[in-house]
Amino acid sequence: EIVLTQSPGSLSLSPGERATLSCRASQSVRSSNLAWYQQKPGQAPRLLIYDALSRATGIPDRFSGSGSGTDFTLTISGLEPEDFAVYYCQQYGTSPRTFGQGTKVEIK
Amino acid sequence: EVQVVDSGGGLVQPGGSLRLSCAASGFIFSNYAMSWVRQAPGKGLEWVSAISGSAGGIYYADSVKGRFTISRDNSKNTVYLQMNSLRAEDTAIYYCAKERGYFDYWGQGTLVTVSS
Repeated sequence: EIVLTQSPGSLSLSPGERATLSCRASQSVRSSNLAWYQQKPGQAPRLLIYDALSRATGIPDRFSGSGSGTDFTLTISGLEPEDFAVYYCQQYGTSPRTFGQGTKVEIK
Repeated sequence: EVQVVDSGGGLVQPGGSLRLSCAASGFIFSNYAMSWVRQAPGKGLEWVSAISGSAGGIYYADSVKGRFTISRDNSKNTVYLQMNSLRAEDTAIYYCAKERGYFDYWGQGTLVTVSS
């Protein structure tokens, strides 16, 4: 199975700053089949990005995804107070579907 | 509007059984695969099982294979997860999700606690 490693484990930033989250795969992710999710405490995950760079319905354009092969990035340009949460990447190019361990974005 | 509502969680003893349900609306249910994803307390996300729209394709994580059974009733727009031989390590919030490879709509989650 494909192992996804997210870095850093946590990120301490101020509102308005730019967040850069990394997701590295143990082998190439087929067809850039990679998604990003946001999860806040007590809530279900919410889809942000699919196919590595396509924003899901209703997701603000400050969220952007990039990358291919084994290296992917989620960028949040200008953190809003509601963006402080845990972010997960997930690959769906190869079975089984697998998730990264998450990156927590905290308020500095 | 797409809605996914999961239910059926609770406290069960080790070795016991539980059946989770997931009712969906707002889309053509039989056209889409559905999955269960779980999250142990304070941990990350783990995909558990998936079923194709026609139920012709069924998939399980190795950690639950032989113990869990996924099924669906397209006439009721509902997916089920029958969980047998439950272990302490199955304790988690179980989420049902509409699947397109990625998971675009999620239920609110239902808590399963396996403890004596």
